Amino acid sequence: GIQVEQSPPDLILQEGANSTLRCNFSDSVNNLQWFHQNPWGQLINLFYIPSGTKQNGRLSATTVATERYSLLYISSSQTTDSGVYFCAVGPREAGTALIFGKGTTLSVSS
Amino acid sequence: NAGVTQTPKFRVLKTGQSMTLLCAQDMNHEYMYWYRQDPGMGLRLIHYSVGEGTTAKGEVPDGYNVSRLKKQNFLLGLESAAPSQTSVYFCASSYESGGYFEQFFGPGTRLTVL
Repeated sequence: GIQVEQSPPDLILQEGANSTLRCNFSDSVNNLQWFHQNPWGQLINLFYIPSGTKQNGRLSATTVATERYSLLYISSSQTTDSGVYFCAVGPREAGTALIFGKGTTLSVSS
Repeated sequence: NAGVTQTPKFRVLKTGQSMTLLCAQDMNHEYMYWYRQDPGMGLRLIHYSVGEGTTAKGEVPDGYNVSRLKKQNFLLGLESAAPSQTSVYFCASSYESGGYFEQFFGPGTRLTVL
């Protein structure tokens, strides 16, 4: 099955710093999503991005499907950005599940 | 729209007890999923459904059963709970349109089996 690897596993930042999170996957996909799991355990959809680039405020994401990786950029980080960021990919079959990476734990201090 | 809702939010069971987790979605999505999340890990698929009346096994199906009698509901059952089933359970739903099928998740159910 598809393997999903996220790096780095942990990241500690000062408020205001920028960061890049990476997701590598081992096979072609037709679905790629980034999630933020906040300290209360909620999974928040950040991006649906099987290819291309998207931006939403301080966050942006780029997926290069042909090279099997995706990047999540966080600019001017805030303490509320703390939590775990998951990359999840879907194989090329409609209706099948997402395969999750193990996540990047981000801690932003003031 | 409430999106994806899960009932209950928390539950404590004793080994051998049974229970049912309810997932409901009001987005008219065809596909629904049950995942579990264990400490320090991403989510893993338990069972899923591609439509009313259909279910299929995922990566970690043992010890669980599911039913999809209505399009908007997906039930996860534990017949005889074991401590290894202590976890946070997430339900999700999606639809497919022109190759687009973003998944949306519920708030989770935290289950402890003693």
